[in-house]
Amino acid sequence: QSVLTQPPSVSGAPGQRVTISCTGSSSNIGAGYDVHWYQQLPGTAPKLLIYGNSNRPSGVPDRFSGSKSGTSASLAISGLQAEDEADYYCQSYDSSLSGYVFGTGTKVTVL
Amino acid sequence: QVQLVQSGAEVKKPGASVKVSCKVSGYTLTELSMHWVRQAPGKGLEWMGGFDPEDGETIYAQKFQGRVTMTEDTSTDTAYMELSSLRSEDTAVYYCATRPSWNDAFDIWGQGTMVTVSS
Repeated sequence: QSVLTQPPSVSGAPGQRVTISCTGSSSNIGAGYDVHWYQQLPGTAPKLLIYGNSNRPSGVPDRFSGSKSGTSASLAISGLQAEDEADYYCQSYDSSLSGYVFGTGTKVTVL
Repeated sequence: QVQLVQSGAEVKKPGASVKVSCKVSGYTLTELSMHWVRQAPGKGLEWMGGFDPEDGETIYAQKFQGRVTMTEDTSTDTAYMELSSLRSEDTAVYYCATRPSWNDAFDIWGQGTMVTVSS
């Protein structure tokens, strides 16, 4: 049972903007720990999409952006494309568990 | 460029142990902080443990303490994750992943190793 909650699914038409929320608590996101985001295409390993709340690794399109506020974080995908159809996970550190935690995951569908 | 190549799929009986390897290329293992994450079929990602560069120790998720051992062979730049007392719920894809020293994101991932626990 994950301590970071995400919506099970979000969808949008090509070109639209979608956002994925990641809700935590005072022992993880609210405690100031960074939030990172991963994209997992079907049958492949996760890929780092956003690190340190809002930073993109080299090669990640600027259509992907991250933000954090209070006990929550968000991933936004603008200009949605068919290739963005994947599962997305947030990740942070939890001081109560003394370890890293992942979100429940969100499936993005491009209509 | 760091690359992680994992060992092949395994089938184990309940109660047995499994040892998965993760070979590093492009860097030496001593330069990296290696972690292990698993994903049961159709489920989300679950962090199992890894090397904490701040403390210089390997830390394990509470759920796996006493049942998992993570080791490294620096002579071959290979990391290992051994899980014992396997049960059907341990059927999953196991990933190794590295964490840079300046943040705690997992930036490089292995291709994954499927472990099936079945009688």
